[in-house]
Order: sequence, then C-alpha cells, then structure tokens
Amino acid sequence: KQEVTQIPAALSVPEGENLVLNCSFTDSAIYNLQWFRQDPGKGLTSLLLIQSSQREQTSGRLNASLDKSSGRSTLYIAASQPGDSATYLCAVRLAYGGSQGNLIFGKGTKLSVKP
Amino acid sequence: DAGVIQSPRHEVTEMGQEVTLRCKPISGHNSLFWYRQTMMRGLELLIYFNNNVPIDDSGMPEDRFSAKMPNASFSTLKIQPSEPRDSAVYFCASSPGRRWSYGYTFGSGTRLTVV
Repeated sequence: KQEVTQIPAALSVPEGENLVLNCSFTDSAIYNLQWFRQDPGKGLTSLLLIQSSQREQTSGRLNASLDKSSGRSTLYIAASQPGDSATYLCAVRLAYGGSQGNLIFGKGTKLSVKP
Repeated sequence: DAGVIQSPRHEVTEMGQEVTLRCKPISGHNSLFWYRQTMMRGLELLIYFNNNVPIDDSGMPEDRFSAKMPNASFSTLKIQPSEPRDSAVYFCASSPGRRWSYGYTFGSGTRLTVV
C-alpha cells in the first residue's frame, strides 16, 4: 500500500530564508508527483507537477525534485516571503491496479514565514 | 476558465438529514474525483469517475454515501442520513481524461458540519 510521508509537519522560518520541504513515498510505481499549496479554509492550488521520467520542475522561486528510485521528492522555496505561509501537500499518482487515477496525499507541512 | 466549481461552500445540517454536494468540473476534463479532508486522516479519495462512469468507489465510507455523474459537466455526492462524523471538507477535482501524466485541479471545497 502506497504511503506518503511529509517531514517536517510544521516549519517556521524568518523571511528571506531558503527552505526545503521533504516528501517520501513507499512505492516507486507512480505516474507523477504533484505539489499543492493550501491556505487556511481554502482549496488546493497546484504548484508543480513532475512526471515519473523527470528529475525536477521549476516555477519562479519554487523548485521540485523527484528521485523515484529512492521514493523521495523535495520542494525548494527560495527567498521565502510571508505570503508563502500555507500548508504544502505532496501527492503521488498510482501507476498500477484499479486505482490508477488515485492521488495519494501526505499530511502536509505547515509553513510559517515570519516577517 | 472558471475552474472546478463546488456548491455550497458551507453546509450545516442536523444529524439524520440528507446532504447533497455538487461539483462542476472543468470543461473537457473527463476524470472527476471526490476527496474528503479531515484533521485526523488528511485527504482521502472517496470515488472517481472517468467519462461519467464510476471507476473506483472503494473509498466511499459506507452505504450512506452515494455519488453520481449524470453528464460530463455535473456530479453530486449525497450523504443520507448524515452523521456528526461526516463533518469534513469535501473536495472535487478534475483531470483531463485517462492521460495520467496530467495533474489535478481542485475546487474550493464544501465545508460540511453535521450537528
């Protein structure tokens, strides 16, 4: 059974710091991995999508990497800002069985960037 | 594009009442997913449809839950009778067809409170 773990569960940093959020998954048979952002009381906003054949994706100050063989992904945020404060969720899309469409989510990392 | 549209945004109901949540996927997206989010369990897939056909409903908690997709632009999730433990945020998401390389787009969610 695929399990997705995100460490740390919460992170507080001063503004301007570069930071890394970690995501690990137990089964490497995935189609892709997606990072989302969720603001309190809001829905999920897709940040980056990495296909299983890719190593990384970049969007602005965000860079996500994927090492499928070791079951790991990282989300790198450069020059953090208070507006980056949110919960960041990692999700993998299964590549086998009847639930191939299923996204399995981690519990998220709650990020707080202090001014 | 208006994105994935869910209604209502908030629903408060008494135990035993029927609750219907609604979702309009992005036009042209052939896959639709219903997720539930709670503090304890995080995001869990309830059911997903492809071309209006339910593909995997193994996440539906029990017979009190039912979902339909009568056409490509509308889906409902019904709980009858509702119970306090059903209180959660329910998200709908859509994705372009069976190309699993595509990512998901989520709606803003329906916050359900059963008292």
